[in-house]
Amino acid sequence: NAGVMQNPRHLVRRRGQEARLRCSPMKGHSHVYWYRQLPEEGLKFMVYLQKENIIDESGMPKERFSAEFPKEGPSILRIQQVVRGDSAAYFCASSRGRGNTEAFFGQGTRLTVV
Amino acid sequence: GESVGLHLPTLSVQEGDNSIINCAYSNSASDYFIWYKQESGKGPQFIIDIRSNMDKRQGQRVTVLLNKTVKHLSLQIAATQPGDSAVYFCAENIEGNTGKLIFGQGTTLQVKP
Repeated sequence: NAGVMQNPRHLVRRRGQEARLRCSPMKGHSHVYWYRQLPEEGLKFMVYLQKENIIDESGMPKERFSAEFPKEGPSILRIQQVVRGDSAAYFCASSRGRGNTEAFFGQGTRLTVV
Repeated sequence: GESVGLHLPTLSVQEGDNSIINCAYSNSASDYFIWYKQESGKGPQFIIDIRSNMDKRQGQRVTVLLNKTVKHLSLQIAATQPGDSAVYFCAENIEGNTGKLIFGQGTTLQVKP
């Protein structure tokens, strides 16, 4: 039973380019969460999605960031026109249900903007 | 703002000793708490959780204590091993909420052989 799969593990982008991060939840999980982690800090919630729905995007920056979880395929976190401040580790988690259920994390995508 | 914080950023213990990692939270509506372990370059790994209707829960070598009166959470690791060296985060969730977790800053546990 594969865990949460994220790819790529490492991503290097030049300022102004687009970054696309992918997350495949665990089998049987229909809830996906994206978090961002800066060095030496805890994880910060960004967005919560179910299939074809954004449930809570209160942690997403208003501009340049978007997320989707289509009916088929992985969840995508998209960052347009990346800036150096976007450099961080981005983690995806999935769970079976909404709140109060164990969420499993992927290994993360480490984005470096040069 | 962040409602979860940790008292000690780094904890150094001798192999075989017990470790206690503390966490404070300020949101009295939080009713589900999780401890995660994060090794370098990896994602957070679930250790143990506890709901607010409990004050103690035990797992294999780990115990979580919840004191709702002072909004305090702790993780106890028995017979700490070198493989326990990692950053430990507490996280909280509010039932009925979207399921998002609020994480603390983390405590680095260093186990000396």
